Amino acid sequence: AQRVTQPEKLLSVFKGAPVELKCNYSYSGSPELFWYVQYSRQRLQLLLRHISRESIKGFTADLNKGETSFHLKKPFAQEEDSAMYYCALDGGYQKVTFGIGTKLQVIP
Amino acid sequence: DAGVIQSPRHEVTEMGQEVTLRCKPISGHDYLFWYRQTMMRGLELLIYFNNNVPIDDSGMPEDRFSAKMPNASFSTLKIQPSEPRDSAVYFCASNRGWREKLFFGSGTQLSVL
Repeated sequence: AQRVTQPEKLLSVFKGAPVELKCNYSYSGSPELFWYVQYSRQRLQLLLRHISRESIKGFTADLNKGETSFHLKKPFAQEEDSAMYYCALDGGYQKVTFGIGTKLQVIP
Repeated sequence: DAGVIQSPRHEVTEMGQEVTLRCKPISGHDYLFWYRQTMMRGLELLIYFNNNVPIDDSGMPEDRFSAKMPNASFSTLKIQPSEPRDSAVYFCASNRGWREKLFFGSGTQLSVL
């Protein structure tokens, strides 16, 4: 069975502070990991995926197979980063499992 | 393209009533997904289709839930009879293929009184 764990439902940080949204997964094979984001009054949308190895809006995420983690990081938080963030795992056969989500609140 | 289109945006109904949620995927996307979002459980996959055929409905909570995709541009999720615990946001999503990113609709906020 595949599982995604996001241990924090709410993460509050001050503007300019570093951000780390945690994601751990459980899957026996080779997963595809994603971060999706939902800004207020907007649709859930892809932020980044591990296979792309890119930085989007200053965010990066590294897949650590040893620790089965895919934490999302940003060195300096901005107010517009406030949103709901979901870590997702695609174990194949289009079965995408999402974590419960972490609400990021950036305090001015 | 207007993206994935869901209707209605909000639905308020009374317990026992039938509820039908609708979805139009992005043209050319072969896969369509129905998700349910709640505070306690986050996003849960209910069912998904490939080329209009249901592939995995193991996430459908009960027989009260059913989903159809009569053609490539339309899908419905039906709850009959509805119960208060069905209150949630229901999302439809589509994509082009295996491990491609998901495109989500705006969701339907369902409240069952």
